[in-house]
Amino acid sequence: QQQVKQSPQSLIVQKGGISIINCAYENTAFDYFPWYQQFPGKGPALLIAIRPDVSEKKEGRFTISFNKSAKQFSLHIMDSQPGDSATYFCGVKKSSGDKLTFGTGTRLAVRP
Amino acid sequence: KAGVTQTPRYLIKTRGQQVTLSCSPISGHRSVSWYQQTPGQGLQFLFEYFSETQRNKGNFPGRFSGRQFSNSRSEMNVSTLELGDSALYLCASSLNPWNTDTQYFGPGTRLTVL
Repeated sequence: QQQVKQSPQSLIVQKGGISIINCAYENTAFDYFPWYQQFPGKGPALLIAIRPDVSEKKEGRFTISFNKSAKQFSLHIMDSQPGDSATYFCGVKKSSGDKLTFGTGTRLAVRP
Repeated sequence: KAGVTQTPRYLIKTRGQQVTLSCSPISGHRSVSWYQQTPGQGLQFLFEYFSETQRNKGNFPGRFSGRQFSNSRSEMNVSTLELGDSALYLCASSLNPWNTDTQYFGPGTRLTVL
C-alpha cells in the first residue's frame, strides 16, 4: 500500500514560471510533511517542511500548501530558475518516531 | 561541522557476493536511517537505528541487515547479492528519531551488481 502518492512524475517549466508538485496521503496520523530536493550525484536535502497546524508555509521562492481535509499538500516554486532543476520528493511521517516515507519523486526541468 | 559520510562511494560486485556499506553520521546525531534508491521504486526505507537498536524496518528480505555502533556509526550488509540490488544506498542521520527537521542525507553508495 502506497503511503503517499506524488504527481506529476516529471515537469518542464519555463524560467520564471511556477512549478507545482502535488502529494496525497491516506493516514491521518501523519503530522510531518517535508519536501526534499535532490541533485544528480547528491543525496536528498531538506527543502521545506510543514506540520498540519498551518495551511501554508513559505521560505523564499518555495511554498508548501497544505489541505488537511483533502489529505493533500503541494510544493510551489515561484519564479522557477534553471538551478531549480532537480528531483523533488515529498515525505510523510508521524512525529512519534515512525519512519519517513517518500513519494515517488518528480523530476523538474526548468528551461532557460 | 562535517556532513554525513558514506563509504565507499562506488562499488561493483557480482551476484552471490556480499557487501558492507558504512555510514558516519553528523557529530552528535544518534539516529541513522538507510534507504535504497532505484529509478523504478524511488526511495525505499530499509531500517533505522538509534542508540545501537533497530527501531524500524522496511519491507526488505533478510539478506539486508544493519547495525549501529556505540559511536553512532552504522553499517549495512547485503548478503547473496542479486542483480536487483543494484541501487544507490543512502544513509541519513538525525539527532534522534523524533527530531525530523535535522535529518541530513549522505551522498550515497552506488552499488552495481553484475
